[in-house]
Amino acid sequence: SQQGEEDPQALSIQEGENATMNCSYKTSINNLQWYRQNSGRGLVHLILIRSNEREKHSGRLRVTLDTSKKSSSLLITASRAADTASYFCATVLTGTASKLTFGTGTRLQVTL
Amino acid sequence: DAGVIQSPRHEVTEMGQEVTLRCKPISGHNSLFWYRQTMMRGLELLIYFNNNVPIDDSGMPEDRFSAKMPNASFSTLKIQPSEPRDSAVYFCASRTGNNSPLHFGNGTRLTVT
Repeated sequence: SQQGEEDPQALSIQEGENATMNCSYKTSINNLQWYRQNSGRGLVHLILIRSNEREKHSGRLRVTLDTSKKSSSLLITASRAADTASYFCATVLTGTASKLTFGTGTRLQVTL
Repeated sequence: DAGVIQSPRHEVTEMGQEVTLRCKPISGHNSLFWYRQTMMRGLELLIYFNNNVPIDDSGMPEDRFSAKMPNASFSTLKIQPSEPRDSAVYFCASRTGNNSPLHFGNGTRLTVT
């Protein structure tokens, strides 16, 4: 079964707008990671946030983590057409230091 | 750094045939993961290895699936006999440690007719 569920399933925005994707999970985690997948390619790691962190930034990406609500969000600011991809959250559960389980993904479409 | 290398990129086979998917992880990475991706079920973890040892194979669908990692630079995922419902994209990924990111190959698209 899926540990993470992304919301929304699909998102369409115009270039320059911000895109926010959410991830909810079910049990306590060691860390949460966000990945991006372009069509026909493997997933690419974007950012990792540990369970004792609340926010991390990387370029135009901002990730927040709320362990009390078991949720995380990924914000992409000033989106570009090249950001069009599917975005996945993945969790490493507490007590399973190795196992990385992926959510269902959000398909982001950025139009010109 | 060539990244994680998977072969073949595409495989089309008939039901009942044996299929072997191959993966070369990034040199120096000590964990290797096999995932399967379909529209219906998303990304499913099949099995992962630490230091060439299988740690968790609870995601392997059934006995028709087997995976090996004979050394740190090579892993195989075998399906015997294959069935149409095995059609999916199979990804291999590797990483250096428990809290480090996964590096994915570009996958093998398997079609079983």
